[in-house]
Amino acid sequence: GAGVSQSPSNKVTEKGKDVELRCDPISGHTALYWYRQRLGQGLEFLIYFQGNSAPDKSGLPSDRFSAERTGESVSTLTIQRTQQEDSAVYLCASSRGNRGNEQFFGPGTRLTVL
Amino acid sequence: RKEVEQDPGPFNVPEGATVAFNCTYSNSASQSFFWYRQDCRKEPKLLMSVYSSGNEDGRFTAQLNRASQYISLLIRDSKLSDSATYLCVVSSGRDKFYFGSGTKLNVKP
Repeated sequence: GAGVSQSPSNKVTEKGKDVELRCDPISGHTALYWYRQRLGQGLEFLIYFQGNSAPDKSGLPSDRFSAERTGESVSTLTIQRTQQEDSAVYLCASSRGNRGNEQFFGPGTRLTVL
Repeated sequence: RKEVEQDPGPFNVPEGATVAFNCTYSNSASQSFFWYRQDCRKEPKLLMSVYSSGNEDGRFTAQLNRASQYISLLIRDSKLSDSATYLCVVSSGRDKFYFGSGTKLNVKP
């Protein structure tokens, strides 16, 4: 079946602009995660959605970052007033949401802020 | 203290060698454990889950030591294609996953 998809695959923007990144999880996966990975660094947790529960936003680095998810489908990550330090690959992952189920990652969106 | 810690490496080994990575975790209540593989400029992909009794998948063996709070990955008969970054992942059981920074492996001909 289809895996996790993300769009766009690459995004170049100017400092101060807003960007919106999209993630389509695997059908039936109730849990969805956003991570950030800077060049040569590990994964940095941003936000987690599980079904209709309130999202875990504990990893969002500032109030310029927000994310939404409608039900158990598409999620969007929005970064307002982008800064150069926002340049990174933004990875989305989904899982079945049952304890211990592994995550499946999308190919990521490579964001470059000039 | 980080939730999950790994030696960043790199581990440079010749083809055919056996190499082992360890990963320590801080939360004794952690429930699930995984090893992921990440190739350069690619997304992480699940290599194997780690079970309490230890498990093996071909040339790869994973073990869990709850008492000392570490997991290990052993790769036998290394191939050039094993060159990648190996990520240790631990879950508290509430679907919150903690990723290590990864251990880089270079397998040389």
